[in-house]
Amino acid sequence: ETGVTQTPRHLVMGMTNKKSLKCEQHLGHNAMYWYKQSAKKPLELMFVYSLEERVENNSVPSRFSPECPNSSHLFLHLHTLQPEDSALYLCASSQDHGLAWGNEQFFGPGTRLTVL
Amino acid sequence: GEDVEQSLFLSVREGDSSVINCTYTDSSSTYLYWYKQEPGAGLQLLTYIFSNMDMKQDQRLTVLLNKKDKHLSLRIADTQTGDSAIYFCAAYGGSQGNLIFGKGTKLSVKP
Repeated sequence: ETGVTQTPRHLVMGMTNKKSLKCEQHLGHNAMYWYKQSAKKPLELMFVYSLEERVENNSVPSRFSPECPNSSHLFLHLHTLQPEDSALYLCASSQDHGLAWGNEQFFGPGTRLTVL
Repeated sequence: GEDVEQSLFLSVREGDSSVINCTYTDSSSTYLYWYKQEPGAGLQLLTYIFSNMDMKQDQRLTVLLNKKDKHLSLRIADTQTGDSAIYFCAAYGGSQGNLIFGKGTKLSVKP
């Protein structure tokens, strides 16, 4: 596997379910990100992890819970979601977090989440 | 904070040039990126420009930066059907230190 992978690619869940999204990067990067992509809205940055520590949480509801057990893996735990949470959830990684040249973000293919 | 704006749609004929425009608000933005998203896929970095550059060319892609007007454009020469995708402009810099994305421009290439 190369680059950034995400599983599952598609997920349908009820509002009372608990599920998790998984992201893995094979690039040796130190920073990982969760984004939410909804129709007709800009990409929304949800969480940022740098060296396994959360450095940013952009006012995301507590029904989304991130976990970064090591620098290669990032999870997004979901519980009691709402239909408006249906979106494409993208994971990305970069060498480091912050304003440094060569700090391009590399994205995974995303998980298409539908909440019924 | 930073705000990035793009037009939402562009339609061109195969073989023509496409020009996708973007404006940003934070004049201290130092790095500007173009990403491409094909259907069902994540974002793929296409090219980038540093704020002390006016132009960057990479094969069929030309990026122009007007720092005074905070205007960025992506020109695709000889546009092909395979270029049909959503193109995102992103500004990396300013006080937030994160990548701020526009809403994306959907490019449709007609044969």
